[in-house]
Amino acid sequence: TQLLEQSPQFLSIQEGENLTVYCNSSSVFSSLQWYRQEPGEGPVLLVTVVTGGEVKKLKRLTFQFGDARKDSSLHITAAQPGDTGLYLCAGFTGGGNKLTFGTGTQLKVEL
Amino acid sequence: GAVVSQHPSWVICKSGTSVKIECRSLDFQATTMFWYRQFPKQSLMLMATSNEGSKATYEQGVEKDKFLINHASLTLSTLTVTSAHPEDSSFYICSGQAQYYEQYFGPGTRLTVT
Repeated sequence: TQLLEQSPQFLSIQEGENLTVYCNSSSVFSSLQWYRQEPGEGPVLLVTVVTGGEVKKLKRLTFQFGDARKDSSLHITAAQPGDTGLYLCAGFTGGGNKLTFGTGTQLKVEL
Repeated sequence: GAVVSQHPSWVICKSGTSVKIECRSLDFQATTMFWYRQFPKQSLMLMATSNEGSKATYEQGVEKDKFLINHASLTLSTLTVTSAHPEDSSFYICSGQAQYYEQYFGPGTRLTVT
């Protein structure tokens, strides 16, 4: 079973601070996705990274896929209370269509 | 983006009864749908893969006789929790697979078994 470990597990910060969430595995993923989930709702896709070393920016969010396609990171600049939520990485392996979800990072941004 | 709905959004049932949850792709056809389970403050765990017109494929440790999945059309999959027990209480989320393996998630169904 492929395992995607996220760190940190919980993060509570003040508005305006920067943060990085890590997603690590011993397995290679053909592509990796990041989702954000709010309480009582389904996860919402933020980004998909496909190429090793790829960097994608989405406003204040920067996503990076490791060169070996085993790890990824999400960096948020100047966090806002609206960024609060559960962040999940998820990866596809080989030619399969099943997503393996990471362990999750619960982020709380306070005023 | 593509929209997936779930019904009901929450349900409370008594121990021993069965509960059916519907998952619909509203604006696209999903030959494959997935069912996940999520406990409080935890990640999503894949329960089964549902393919239209064929039997579902269950993940290791998931009882197929307890969690009955039917995918009768390209826009509807159902999950029936049979003889529910309090330990089945959880947040159940489905997703529909569009082209290029993109998955669109439903809003989830909160099941509480008393």
